[in-house]
Amino acid sequence: DSGVTQTPKHLITATGQRVTLRCSPRSGDLSVYWYQQSLDQGLQFLIQYYNGEERAKGNILERFSAQQFPDLHSELNLSSLELGDSALYFCASSQRAGAVTGELFFGEGSRLTVL
Amino acid sequence: GENVEQHPSTLSVQEGDSAVIKCTYSDSASNYFPWYKQELGKRPQLIIDIRSNVGEKKDQRIAVTLNKTAKHFSLHITETQPEDSAVYFCAARWVGFSGGGADGLTFGKGTHLIIQP
Repeated sequence: DSGVTQTPKHLITATGQRVTLRCSPRSGDLSVYWYQQSLDQGLQFLIQYYNGEERAKGNILERFSAQQFPDLHSELNLSSLELGDSALYFCASSQRAGAVTGELFFGEGSRLTVL
Repeated sequence: GENVEQHPSTLSVQEGDSAVIKCTYSDSASNYFPWYKQELGKRPQLIIDIRSNVGEKKDQRIAVTLNKTAKHFSLHITETQPEDSAVYFCAARWVGFSGGGADGLTFGKGTHLIIQP
């Protein structure tokens, strides 16, 4: 158990719809990262939040957005869904205050299927 | 930004033999290089890591080597076992310029390691 919690574990929806994925980081971690993993693909970095503020952006589509709340949990919003958005979405956390090691701790992922 | 190349994409070895996976990175400022193992449908899990002030690190059957001059690092698994079958990802740490806390990992595309009985 990494200490990172993601919900929901599975989600099936239709094209054009909007979904929200939720992540609770490890206790004490200030950073939350979102990664997308499509079938047989690597881990594509989407976005990073640190202590409530956006810090870095990767290959995140304009249809996607995220935020980190004061309690440090994060949500990834995916809108106008397309078939190609079907993937496993991972949240990871790191950077406990005063202990910046670089290691990321991954949640179990949210598997999104767009029909 | 950081770019990480990983080879091979698929590696099949006989049980008991050794496996080697290689990665190169582009940012000379990178200082942390972890390896993650991902079983089918599961989350990536850290198996070993190395920092830039070290050339080699070993943990039982797993070892990682780092050549900072050439900007490449490798994962070595000896005496492979069926449970080693998985996808392995290398990664390199990046630190951003946008302010405090911009920090993360860029991953290679992964190596599917198959252990043949």
